[in-house]
Amino acid sequence: DVKVTQSSRYLVKRTGEKVFLECVQDMDHENMFWYRQDPGLGLRLIYFSYDVKMKEKGDIPEGYSVSREKKERFSLILESASTNQTSMYLCASKGGTEAFFGQGTRLTVV
Amino acid sequence: AQRVTQPEKLLSVFKGAPVELKCNYSYSGSPELFWYVQYSRQRLQLLLRHISRESIKGFTADLNKGETSFHLKKPFAQEEDSAMYYCALSSYNTDKLIFGTGTRLQVFP
Repeated sequence: DVKVTQSSRYLVKRTGEKVFLECVQDMDHENMFWYRQDPGLGLRLIYFSYDVKMKEKGDIPEGYSVSREKKERFSLILESASTNQTSMYLCASKGGTEAFFGQGTRLTVV
Repeated sequence: AQRVTQPEKLLSVFKGAPVELKCNYSYSGSPELFWYVQYSRQRLQLLLRHISRESIKGFTADLNKGETSFHLKKPFAQEEDSAMYYCALSSYNTDKLIFGTGTRLQVFP
């Protein structure tokens, strides 16, 4: 059973905090993605990584950074959380044509 | 630039009615097109992909390169089809995967 696991289901952080969202996959996939999911806006790509230490900006990278030190782990970092980053964050990994998703992390910034 | 457009935010039908969820895309090369579905309280998952030309849960989608469309169809909707549907596009060159804004399908009894 393939697995993409996000470290937290729910997070509440204060404005200005540094926030780490972790994602781990056990499928040996090369490609990993971070999206945010907002009503009416769909899934918007923040960053993706096509190999260890390799990354590419998506459509909305501002205010975010990522880290991929190991193939199985892809971290999303909010350097200084702001209220407009309150959202559902989805991680995905993709080896062939199909992407597999994590359960999501609902982040609230207060 | 890659772009996926789903014009309908919400589509409501009665059980047994035909369903068509629209998807248009823009991409300069040869894209891979997908439909993903998210049922209530479940993870987003792949429904079907254009290269397979398959029918999953009675749904089909045909890639029309002339109209740059990949509409999802089902002749007779069921209540269990109620979910959020996302059209997605990937590049053969970069594996970048982008999604549309999604359409919520509600099937009433």
